[in-house]
Amino acid sequence: EPEVTQTPSHQVTQMGQEVILRCVPISNHLYFYWYRQILGQKVEFLVSFYNNEISEKSEIFDDQFSVERPDGSNFTLKIRSTKLEDSAMYFCASKRGYTDTQYFGPGTRLTVL
Amino acid sequence: DAKTTQPPSMDCAEGRAANLPCNHSTISGNEYVYWYRQIHSQGPQYIIHGLKNNETNEMASLIITEDRKSSTLILPHATLRDTAVYYCIVRVALVSNFGNEKLTFGTGTRLTIIP
Repeated sequence: EPEVTQTPSHQVTQMGQEVILRCVPISNHLYFYWYRQILGQKVEFLVSFYNNEISEKSEIFDDQFSVERPDGSNFTLKIRSTKLEDSAMYFCASKRGYTDTQYFGPGTRLTVL
Repeated sequence: DAKTTQPPSMDCAEGRAANLPCNHSTISGNEYVYWYRQIHSQGPQYIIHGLKNNETNEMASLIITEDRKSSTLILPHATLRDTAVYYCIVRVALVSNFGNEKLTFGTGTRLTIIP
C-alpha cells in the first residue's frame, strides 16, 4: 500500500540554522500539506499546497517558512532561521483529489538547541 | 468551522468493543465526519469517514445519528495495539480554493486498552 514518507526521522539543529524537511507524497496525489505538533499539544495545520502554489497558510507559517515541490516526487518544508519554539514533530500529508482522504507521513522530529 | 467534542479519555478491555463518541452539533450538510488516530507521536492514521450513512471498513465502524449531530466510532475487538489518541474531525472546505481544505485537530480521546 502506498505511503507518505518523510526524511529525516529526527533532525537536531542549532538555533538560527536553516533546516529542510523532506516528504515524498503518495505518487498520484495532487494536494500536499504540512502540519506540526509541539510535544503534548494538538496537531496544527501549517500550509496547504496545490498546483505549485500555496493555497492556505496558518499564522504560524511566517516568512521563516517556505515550501517547495522541486520535482515530481518531493515536497519540502524549509525553516530559514530556526528558533527554539520550532522544536516539534512535523507531519506531511497528501491526498489525491477533492473528495479524497488526507494521508499522513510518520513525521520528522525537529529539535532546536 | 464545525467543532467536535470528545471525552478526554476512555478505557476498554482487550477483546471488547470500544465505542468512542463524538458530538458535532454544528455540522453542516456538506461536511464529512472523519476519524484518525495517533499512536504515540506517530503520524495521524486515517481510520474511517462518513457523511450520512453508517460506514464499515476493515478497521472500524462509524455510526452517525440521523440528525448528524453526533457519531460513534466502534472498534469491534480492541487489541493492545489500538491504544492511541482518537480524533473526530469535521472536514472543512475552503471557499477560496475549493477542495484544498485543512484538517483541524482537537485534543481527541485517549483510548487505553486494558489487558
